[in-house]
Amino acid sequence: GQSLEQPSEVTAVEGAIVQINCTYQTSGFYGLSWYQQHDGGAPTFLSYNALDGLEETGRFSSFLSRSDSYGYLLLQELQMKDSASYFCAGGYQKVTFGTGTKLQVIP
Amino acid sequence: EPEVTQTPSHQVTQMGQEVILRCVPISNHLYFYWYRQILGQKVEFLVSFYNNEISEKSEIFDDQFSVERPDGSNFTLKIRSTKLEDSAMYFCASADWGRETTQYFGPGTRLLVL
Repeated sequence: GQSLEQPSEVTAVEGAIVQINCTYQTSGFYGLSWYQQHDGGAPTFLSYNALDGLEETGRFSSFLSRSDSYGYLLLQELQMKDSASYFCAGGYQKVTFGTGTKLQVIP
Repeated sequence: EPEVTQTPSHQVTQMGQEVILRCVPISNHLYFYWYRQILGQKVEFLVSFYNNEISEKSEIFDDQFSVERPDGSNFTLKIRSTKLEDSAMYFCASADWGRETTQYFGPGTRLLVL
């Protein structure tokens, strides 16, 4: 089976940097994806790490260490619109989402 | 920009009734998925579909559920004999060949079973 654990809530200040962690226990692992979900909205794909290391996409970066079964999403230059829930996800044809982290950006 | 669409946006039904949730995936995508999300909880995988057959399904996806691709564009989820605990947001998603980990989600159907 698969399980992906995340902190339930994180609060950060506008303009700052925040890191959202994801630790996982999984078999048949094919990398780690990250999704953003605003309240009442659908998940939106942010990034995917197939290999160890850092992937950068604009203000968002994602990191994966398969040996540590660990990844994180890094959000820089936080904006109020970044307030949302963030999910890590693993798997291939059968995708398991993490428990989700609700990020609140405050002025 | 192409997007996944879902209908209806909201569905209210009586316990024991059957519902069909509809999805139109992005046209050139080959992988299709259904997820559900109970209010305030995480997204849960239900089923994946490729080449006109189920690829994987979760323990949630029991005999009460079925999926179908009746034509070249639609992808449906049927829930037979709905139960109160089936009340949730149901999301459809699709992905392109070789990019199964990059999934595009539809806006969801909110199902309420009374």
